[in-house]
Amino acid sequence: DGGITQSPKYLFRKEGQNVTLSCEQNLNHDAMYWYRQDPGQGLRLIYYSQIVNDFQKGDIAEGYSVSREKKESFPLTVTSAQKNPTAFYLCATQDRGHEKLFFGSGTQLSVL
Amino acid sequence: QKEVEQNSGPLSVPEGAIASLNCTYSDRVSQSFFWYRQYSGKSPELIMSIYSNGDKEDGRFTAQLNKASQYVSLLIRDSQPSDSATYLCAVKASGTYKYIFGTGTRLKVLA
Repeated sequence: DGGITQSPKYLFRKEGQNVTLSCEQNLNHDAMYWYRQDPGQGLRLIYYSQIVNDFQKGDIAEGYSVSREKKESFPLTVTSAQKNPTAFYLCATQDRGHEKLFFGSGTQLSVL
Repeated sequence: QKEVEQNSGPLSVPEGAIASLNCTYSDRVSQSFFWYRQYSGKSPELIMSIYSNGDKEDGRFTAQLNKASQYVSLLIRDSQPSDSATYLCAVKASGTYKYIFGTGTRLKVLA
């Protein structure tokens, strides 16, 4: 079954805790992205990666970290430095040479 | 700061009518434009892409692009209650891998 898999679907974070959101793809797409969506707001870019072992900060990278050790995987860690982490997190991929962005099913992160 | 602007709505149309959704953008050299549909609690789904001036039709959907006016629109013909969702406009920034999203327009199709 091809596509973009995000897990978990729901995640709860305690204060002071780091949590990691998983994003895996088997589309063989080069670029991967993390977006954050707050209610009634558009998508804001956290990080993106065009190739393995390389990634760039987006508009709201503070309090987040990523890695891209494999083409298929782009995990996002929400650190304790992110004081307002409650949001819907979306992972997306894009194939080189094609402009279209495709999204995973998302992870809803809430604070306990 | 490059921006994409959309009216948040809700835009209410009766079933069978044409729904018209609009989007303006500030980056004059943007080249790629997209419309996504997002149901509540779900991820965005790509429904249309457009790259050159004019109209592009796909089934009940028509995307219209006017680069001189920095304006892109989405028309939905024969609107159905299942079209009720938030529609996000996205613009790919020139020379980068960055996509800039509007805040979305909520569409309600009334049965």
